[in-house]
Amino acid sequence: ETGVTQTPRHLVMGMTNKKSLKCEQHLGHNAMYWYKQSAKKPLELMFVYSLEERVENNSVPSRFSPECPNSSHLFLHLHTLQPEDSALYLCASSQVGEEETQYFGPGTRLLVL
Amino acid sequence: TQLLEQSPQFLSIQEGENLTVYCNSSSVFSSLQWYRQEPGEGPVLLVTVVTGGEVKKLKRLTFQFGDARKDSSLHITAAQPGDTGLYLCAGLHASGGSYIPTFGRGTSLIVHP
Repeated sequence: ETGVTQTPRHLVMGMTNKKSLKCEQHLGHNAMYWYKQSAKKPLELMFVYSLEERVENNSVPSRFSPECPNSSHLFLHLHTLQPEDSALYLCASSQVGEEETQYFGPGTRLLVL
Repeated sequence: TQLLEQSPQFLSIQEGENLTVYCNSSSVFSSLQWYRQEPGEGPVLLVTVVTGGEVKKLKRLTFQFGDARKDSSLHITAAQPGDTGLYLCAGLHASGGSYIPTFGRGTSLIVHP
C-alpha cells in the first residue's frame, strides 16, 4: 500500500466509448503524474500537475484529457481511443522540492477493442 | 530527448546466483533512481543516487552511480525468488521547479528456487 489508489483496476472499452480513470493520493503531496506503460517500451510520462497546475504535457493525443480538481485527485478522461492505447496507466504523486520520490498507484489495465 | 538504456532486458537465474543490471545514457542527470515493480503493482522506489561515484547498499543490493552521472548499475548478491520483478532505472532532470524522471525500459528478473 503506497498511499496512492487507482480505480478501476481493469477496464475494457470500445473505440467509441468515453471513460475516466481516477487516482487519489493520501500522502499530502503537491504533484501528481500520469504514465503509460506498454510492453517493450519505457514508462512514458503523459502529464504532470504541480500545485494543481499542469506543467508538462508530452505531446499526448487529445483523446486523453487530464483533470486535477485538487491536490489529492487526478483524473484521466478517455474518448475515442485506439487499440494501440491499450496499456497499463499508472498514477504517481510526489512532494515537489523534497527528495522527489514518486509514489505509484497499482495502475489501471486498459484494453481498447 | 534523454534516453536511458537498460541491459539486459531479461534475466532468468537460479537462487543464490549474483547478477548485475546496467543503466546507461549519453545525458547527465541530477540524480538517478532505481525502482522495482512486481506484477499487478506500480513501481516502488529502491534507492536514489545523487553524487557521481556514489555507492549505496541496501541489504543484498548494491547501487553505483557513475562518476560522470550518466550511468548506473545494480548488483544483487545471492539472489532470492523474492527478488523477482521488473527493475527500472530513472534519471531525474530539472524542469520548471520540479524533477521529471526519464525511465529506462526495465530489466525483467526471474529468480528460480
